[in-house]
Amino acid sequence: SYVLTQPPSVSLAPGKTATITCGGDNIGSKSVHWYQQKPGQAPVLVISYDNDRPSGIPDRFSGSNSGNTATLTISRVEAGDEADYYCQVWDNASDHFVFGAGTHVTVL
Amino acid sequence: EMQVLESGGGLVQPGGSLRLSCAASGFMFGDYAMSWVRQTPGRGLEWVSSITGSGRTTYYADSVRGRFTISRDNSQDILLLQMNSLRVDDSAKYFCAKEGMVGAFDPWGPGTLVTVSS
Repeated sequence: SYVLTQPPSVSLAPGKTATITCGGDNIGSKSVHWYQQKPGQAPVLVISYDNDRPSGIPDRFSGSNSGNTATLTISRVEAGDEADYYCQVWDNASDHFVFGAGTHVTVL
Repeated sequence: EMQVLESGGGLVQPGGSLRLSCAASGFMFGDYAMSWVRQTPGRGLEWVSSITGSGRTTYYADSVRGRFTISRDNSQDILLLQMNSLRVDDSAKYFCAKEGMVGAFDPWGPGTLVTVSS
């Protein structure tokens, strides 16, 4: 089955740039979506189709996808960005959706 | 505003059954695929099942295939998940989500908690 690999955690100071990776075999050939989940809340889509931002998502959030790695970048990180972030793809080979294990972003 | 709202969770014994519902509003329900995703407390997200807008095609995670059945009533804008032969490891918060054209889930409901325990 298709596996997505994310780092468990990222810590950084306010104002810095967070880079969250999502590794997968030839993931560049797939559409990658990213979700933000704060404690006790449902996930929220922050990036779809590699680098599209839904309405209401700040332009500090951006994405890229190439080769074996997709990346979510959060510029000028704020305290309110502290959350878990998950990547997700559709695996055509298995007809399954797949999520990464999630990355917890801590704003110091 | 697009919204989905789950209901039907609760406490059930191992081997028991439960039916979850998801009421949708604010969009043309029958035009969109829908999915169920679950999350164990303190753990990550696990996709459970999806159904096309027409309801003709369904997909299941290996962990639930043969035990869970996804369905929809497009006349009432409702998504369903019939869960049979429940196991302790099915305990989780179950989210309903609308699928976009490229498989992105948006929006999600607040979730409904399922606890399987004797």
